[in-house]
Amino acid sequence: NAGVTQTPKFQVLKTGQSMTLQCAQDMNHNSMYWYRQDPGMGLRLIYYSASEGTTDKGEVPNGYNVSRLNKREFSLRLESAAPSQTSVYFCASSTDRVRVGTGELFFGEGSRLTVL
Amino acid sequence: SQQGEEDPQALSIQEGENATMNCSYKTSINNLQWYRQNSGRGLVHLILIRSNEREKHSGRLRVTLDTSKKSSSLLITASRAADTASYFCATDDQGNTPLVFGKGTRLSVIA
Repeated sequence: NAGVTQTPKFQVLKTGQSMTLQCAQDMNHNSMYWYRQDPGMGLRLIYYSASEGTTDKGEVPNGYNVSRLNKREFSLRLESAAPSQTSVYFCASSTDRVRVGTGELFFGEGSRLTVL
Repeated sequence: SQQGEEDPQALSIQEGENATMNCSYKTSINNLQWYRQNSGRGLVHLILIRSNEREKHSGRLRVTLDTSKKSSSLLITASRAADTASYFCATDDQGNTPLVFGKGTRLSVIA
């Protein structure tokens, strides 16, 4: 099993460009998440999807959109990248059952994005 | 948003010593989890402790939870150089919310 796979691993964008981060999991998990990690800030939740067909905002959703394409895939889109979006992005899926936040998170290896 | 806060921010110990990290949080929880992150890698789940549990063990890891003080501790016994990593606590809220992470403790184990 591959677990959680993120692509790309590295990306450099210019301000105003758009891009999509892809995430796929092969563990049949219902819940999927996008976090960003910045130095000294820990991980902050951008968006999550408790189940196929639903998405919800997290702590820092501005400037991002998401799509839960099917149970396996959850993508994160930056429509007009800004330098403040330079960060490491982590996708995760979870063994959540009845409620989000109750299960163990499985993380991808991260996507390192630089916006110039 | 609720956030666990780890203490200390950084910890440096000799191989073979024990390492203790603490986490404090603000509101009632269903569970608290600890994760490890090696440099440049994704986070890896270590242990989950539920609000009705006081202590849990997994190999060289021991986690305690004191809901009256809203705090948890992670003890790594007989540390090894391979334990060098950042350690994060994560908490939920009782109202169906995703996990919220603290800023982490950076542990350095010197051989």
